[in-house]
Amino acid sequence: AQSVTQLDSQVPVFEEAPVELRCNYSSSVSVYLFWYVQYPNQGLQLLLKYLSGSTLVESINGFEAEFNKSQTSFHLRKPSVHISDTAEYFCAVSHGSSNTGKLIFGQGTTLQVKP
Amino acid sequence: GAGVSQSPRYKVAKRGQDVALRCDPISGHVSLFWYQQALGQGPEFLTYFQNEAQLDKSGLPSDRFFAERPEGSVSTLKIQRTQQEDSAVYLCASSFQAGGSQSEQFFGPGTRLTVL
Repeated sequence: AQSVTQLDSQVPVFEEAPVELRCNYSSSVSVYLFWYVQYPNQGLQLLLKYLSGSTLVESINGFEAEFNKSQTSFHLRKPSVHISDTAEYFCAVSHGSSNTGKLIFGQGTTLQVKP
Repeated sequence: GAGVSQSPRYKVAKRGQDVALRCDPISGHVSLFWYQQALGQGPEFLTYFQNEAQLDKSGLPSDRFFAERPEGSVSTLKIQRTQQEDSAVYLCASSFQAGGSQSEQFFGPGTRLTVL
C-alpha cells in the first residue's frame, strides 16, 4: 500500500531564512506527487505538482520541489520565506494508473515563520 | 467563479444522531471526492464519484457512512448514529476530468463535525 511520510510536524523558521519541508513516499509503482497548502481558516490549495518530465517543479510564489525517484522523496524548498508563508503544508501522492485519482496525504507540516 | 462550497461549516451532534453534510462542486466538474481529516492528521480518502456513479467507496470507515450524488452535481455525505470517533473535518474536492491522477483537485473549506 502507498504511504506518505512528512518527517517534521512543525518547522519554525525566521523570516527571510531558507526552509525545506521533507516528504517521502512508499510505492512500488509510478506515482504523481503534489504539495498542498492550507492557510488558516481556508481550504487546501494546490501549491505544485510533479506528473512527468523535469524532476524540478516550481510554484508561482517561490517554492520548488524535486522528485527524487531513487530516494522516493519530494521535498519542498524555498530560499527565503515570508511571514505570509505561515501555513500547514501537505504532501500527497496518487497512483499513476489509478482510475479515480484519489490522493494519499502525509500528516502535514506546520511552517511557522517568525519575524 | 465560485469554488467548491460546503455546508454547514460547523456541525455539533449528540452521539447517536444522524448528520448530513453537503458539497457543491465547481460547475462542470465530473469528479467528486470526500476526505476525512482528523485533528492533527492529513486528509484520508473516503469515496469517489464520477458524475452520479460512486466508483470507489473503499475509504468509508463503516456502514454508518453513506454518500450520494444523484444528479451528478451536488453531493451529500450522511453519517448515521454518529460516534465520538466521527469527529473530524470532512473535506469535499472536485476535479474537471473523469478519473485519472493528473487532474487538479479543488477543495472546499470543509465541515467541522463535533460529536458530543
